[in-house]
Amino acid sequence: DIQMTQSPASLSASVGDRVTITCRASQVINNYLAWFQQRPGKAPKLLIHTASTLQPGVPSRFSGSGFGTDFTLTISSLQPEDVATYYCQKHNSHPFTFGPGTKVDIK
Amino acid sequence: QVQLMQSGAEVKKPGASVKVSCKASGFLFTNYGFTWVRQAPGQGLEWLGWISAFNGQTLFGQSLQGRVTMTTDTSTTTAFLELRGLRSDDTAVYYCARDRGGSIPDYWGQGTLVTVSS
Repeated sequence: DIQMTQSPASLSASVGDRVTITCRASQVINNYLAWFQQRPGKAPKLLIHTASTLQPGVPSRFSGSGFGTDFTLTISSLQPEDVATYYCQKHNSHPFTFGPGTKVDIK
Repeated sequence: QVQLMQSGAEVKKPGASVKVSCKASGFLFTNYGFTWVRQAPGQGLEWLGWISAFNGQTLFGQSLQGRVTMTTDTSTTTAFLELRGLRSDDTAVYYCARDRGGSIPDYWGQGTLVTVSS
């Protein structure tokens, strides 16, 4: 099975900072990569699918890129409401594994 | 609007079974699949499986193979997850999510806490 890793495991940044999270697949998954945001105590929320397609209603400060095995989620200007854990997930084939998550908080 | 409303919290003893429901509304139920995901306390997300509401086809993750059943009821637009032989490490919040196509969960239920304790 394909394994998903993320880095860093956690980060702390200031409001307005540019934040980048990396997700890596152990095998090529083309662009079949989604990103989710999970705020504390809440259900996950889909942000991006097929590596770079923003889900309707998601703020434009979120963007995704990558192809093959290496992917990034970027928050162009971190806001207080972005405090959350972010997960990547492969959606090319079963099993649809999640990455371990990256916890983002405000410095 | 799209809504997925899950059943309430459950407390079960080891070896028992639990059935979690996910009532869907705001979209044509049989046009979609449903994904089930769980999250143990303080841990990450674990993909459990998927079911088509169109034809009942299922896919399961390795961790629950043989202990899990996923079903749908089109008359009540509800998806179900049943887990048998519960163990303490099955304690988690269980989420259902609508699959928008391409195996991408776009709308999520609020989660159901299942606690397994003697």
